[in-house]
Amino acid sequence: AQSVTQLDSQVPVFEEAPVELRCNYSSSVSVYLFWYVQYPNQGLQLLLKYLSGSTLVESINGFEAEFNKSQTSFHLRKPSVHISDTAEYFCAVSRSGGYNKLIFGAGTRLAVHP
Amino acid sequence: DTAVSQTPKYLVTQMGNDKSIKCEQNLGHDTMYWYKQDSKKFLKIMFSYNNKELIINETVPNRFSPKSPDKAHLNLHINSLELGDSAVYFCASSQDLQTSGYYNEQFFGPGTRLTVL
Repeated sequence: AQSVTQLDSQVPVFEEAPVELRCNYSSSVSVYLFWYVQYPNQGLQLLLKYLSGSTLVESINGFEAEFNKSQTSFHLRKPSVHISDTAEYFCAVSRSGGYNKLIFGAGTRLAVHP
Repeated sequence: DTAVSQTPKYLVTQMGNDKSIKCEQNLGHDTMYWYKQDSKKFLKIMFSYNNKELIINETVPNRFSPKSPDKAHLNLHINSLELGDSAVYFCASSQDLQTSGYYNEQFFGPGTRLTVL
């Protein structure tokens, strides 16, 4: 079975500051890794994913995440946040090659202040 | 031209009632899912259907019964509603990994907020 731990339930940060949202996973088999974002009163949107290949993956709006197999981590980073990045961020895993079943972490609320 | 749509968006009802939530996707996907997000924002998969066949059934009370009349629809019927059923229910869809040979993103609907009084 897989599990996901998001170490911070809330991360307050000032606009234009860097941010890191932490995610660790546990699995006895190979996994795919994901970050989803949920803006207030909306559904989830895929922010970025790691399936294979380069361990550093990037989104179109400046976020990046690095898969670290030895530390079983997939932390999300952005060098300079905007007010519009305020949202709930969910890390998720799915067993590679199996049914597409997403296991989510508890979420991290990113609050960007002016 | 919403990709994954859910109705209703809000549902307020009394304990003991029976209610249904509908989900439709126009993406041509063959796999659909129901997730439950509780008051603490925790998301957990409930069910998944592939080509109208149930493939994932987590430990959900049997008061919850999904129904897939065709590949584009997955409805969720809940009998004898309880206070603990209050949550946001998300539908999602994707193209199956097994048939496509590669991973495909799950697309989520906007959610249905169920409040049981």
